[in-house]
Amino acid sequence: DAGVTQSPTHLIKTRGQQVTLRCSPKSGHDTVSWYQQALGQGPQFIFQYYEEEERQRGNFPDRFSGHQFPNYSSELNVNALLLGDSALYLCASSFLQRNSPLHFGNGTRLTVT
Amino acid sequence: DAKTTQPPSMDCAEGRAANLPCNHSTISGNEYVYWYRQIHSQGPQYIIHGLKNNETNEMASLIITEDRKSSTLILPHATLRDTAVYYCIVRVDVVTGTASKLTFGTGTRLQVTL
Repeated sequence: DAGVTQSPTHLIKTRGQQVTLRCSPKSGHDTVSWYQQALGQGPQFIFQYYEEEERQRGNFPDRFSGHQFPNYSSELNVNALLLGDSALYLCASSFLQRNSPLHFGNGTRLTVT
Repeated sequence: DAKTTQPPSMDCAEGRAANLPCNHSTISGNEYVYWYRQIHSQGPQYIIHGLKNNETNEMASLIITEDRKSSTLILPHATLRDTAVYYCIVRVDVVTGTASKLTFGTGTRLQVTL
């Protein structure tokens, strides 16, 4: 039973560019959330998707957008990259039902130069 | 979501029990206590969660005080592979139509030594 998978594992981009990160949820899960983890910090919530709609959003600018597909997989898009966007981006999946624990992938390490 | 307070670091000898404390004095009645850990270069791993009763699974035990203002995660026989950052998180019960988010702090860095 595959867990949460993310691609790519590492990525290097230049300021001003755009990036797309991908996530496949754990088998059977219907909800996908994205988190950003800066070096030495805990993960910070970006947004959550369920039924192909954004259901919750953290304190991130509109440059961060997402999408969920009918097969529950998801993409995170970041436009106009800044140096401060360099971080580990984590995808987590769960069931929508109450208190279903989130299961995380191992993330995509994004470096903006 | 209620804030949590954890010591920044702890050491534990291999084979001994690791007891990781967490204070959450402002926890509300509809908030659960969750524990995750993050081993270097990996994503956070779910360990255990509870509301008010003590919980045990194959990884750990969670002891929540009667007033729910603090809890302790217990790894009964720590190994070198348990070296990680441990996060104590208070998570609100489900909000209709969503799965409630996790708000991470900076956690406790547990170092297990020989």
